[in-house]
Amino acid sequence: GENVEQHPSTLSVQEGDSAVIKCTYSDSASNYFPWYKQELGKRPQLIIDIRSNVGEKKDQRIAVTLNKTAKHFSLHITETQPEDSAVYFCAPNNQAGTALIFGKGTTLSVSS
Amino acid sequence: EPEVTQTPSHQVTQMGQEVILRCVPISNHLYFYWYRQILGQKVEFLVSFYNNEISEKSEIFDDQFSVERPDGSNFTLKIRSTKLEDSAMYFCASTADFFNYGYTFGSGTRLTVV
Repeated sequence: GENVEQHPSTLSVQEGDSAVIKCTYSDSASNYFPWYKQELGKRPQLIIDIRSNVGEKKDQRIAVTLNKTAKHFSLHITETQPEDSAVYFCAPNNQAGTALIFGKGTTLSVSS
Repeated sequence: EPEVTQTPSHQVTQMGQEVILRCVPISNHLYFYWYRQILGQKVEFLVSFYNNEISEKSEIFDDQFSVERPDGSNFTLKIRSTKLEDSAMYFCASTADFFNYGYTFGSGTRLTVV
């Protein structure tokens, strides 16, 4: 099965700084790479995703980059704000409709 | 925006009791899932359900668990004899079809076993 690792496990930045979280996966057949944001006590929410035929995708302050050869993808958040503070999970997947296997999460803290 | 609805939001139960967690997936979605999250840990897959049967399940989903779609709208998770370690947040999720990777999660049920 898929083995998913996230680094770092915790990340503290100052407001306005950039944050990068990396997700490494083991299944070379993975072709869908989402990032979920979970605020305390809330549901996971999809914030950005990328398919394997694309190397990078950007949506305002967040972006995801994919390196299929090295089997990792990263979440980039620029100009961080306190409301970006949350736990971020990656969940690479190889087939629509099947289970998402989540990483252990990265706790991002943005201080003002 | 369509939502996945879960009830109750919080349930407290005695160890050994049966609980049923309820979910109403988005109406045109075909794939349904249950996940759980023990406090402070990652989200873990329990089971997926399609065409009125289980399509995939994890090692966590043992004989104490069962799922059902009793009517056209509800999707339930039953835990037959709860244990202390079943205390967790349980999330229901759904997706539209086999080609759509996008999950929509419900707001969760916090189960506390005492």
